[in-house]
Amino acid sequence: GAVVSQHPSWVICKSGTSVKIECRSLDFQATTMFWYRQFPKQSLMLMATSNEGSKATYEQGVEKDKFLINHASLTLSTLTVTSAHPEDSSFYICSASRGDGPDTQYFGPGTRLTVL
Amino acid sequence: AQKITQTQPGMFVQEKEAVTLDCTYDTSDPSYGLFWYKQPSSGEMIFLIYQGSYDQQNATEGRYSLNFQKARKSANLVISASQLGDSAMYFCAMRGEGTGRRALTFGSGTRLQVQP
Repeated sequence: GAVVSQHPSWVICKSGTSVKIECRSLDFQATTMFWYRQFPKQSLMLMATSNEGSKATYEQGVEKDKFLINHASLTLSTLTVTSAHPEDSSFYICSASRGDGPDTQYFGPGTRLTVL
Repeated sequence: AQKITQTQPGMFVQEKEAVTLDCTYDTSDPSYGLFWYKQPSSGEMIFLIYQGSYDQQNATEGRYSLNFQKARKSANLVISASQLGDSAMYFCAMRGEGTGRRALTFGSGTRLQVQP
């Protein structure tokens, strides 16, 4: 299999606080993980590519100081939304690839963030 | 640059019938991969099927098949014998191969509703 987990599945926080979201590949090692953001009834937009042991590559328009990504091991990447504001409320979903075959990306179940 | 177009925001199909979800793409990469994902209301992205641009045969996975027409730049998903559990959002995605960029570009999605 190729199972990816995310924690928490949902979080509500106050404006100005920071929130950490974890993405884990449970049964494979992922040298690369990806973080996407999805607004209601819209498609997935890539935020950043996270490589184990190196700095993340952010997409144009994504603030790297606001969305901190750490890929500390081959099975864990974290996304920290710093000083969250209501406009950061969204569905955040990560994916991981095994790097073999067609290099299929397997997605976590997502995290719904609501900032009050 | 890559672009995925899904022109059907919503589709209805009767249970046990087949349905085709359209996907067209545009890319300058000579080699690329095409993917279809299913997103139920719970939010997780479920990998369905993959087609490589140099694959001679259309990909099939159980009730899913990909009608790949390279000259027309289309990669339509065909679901045979629809089931109620097939009701979900379906996203077409692509990735250039050999470009070093492993992230996926997604289409806007098609919401499929299977009626009893």
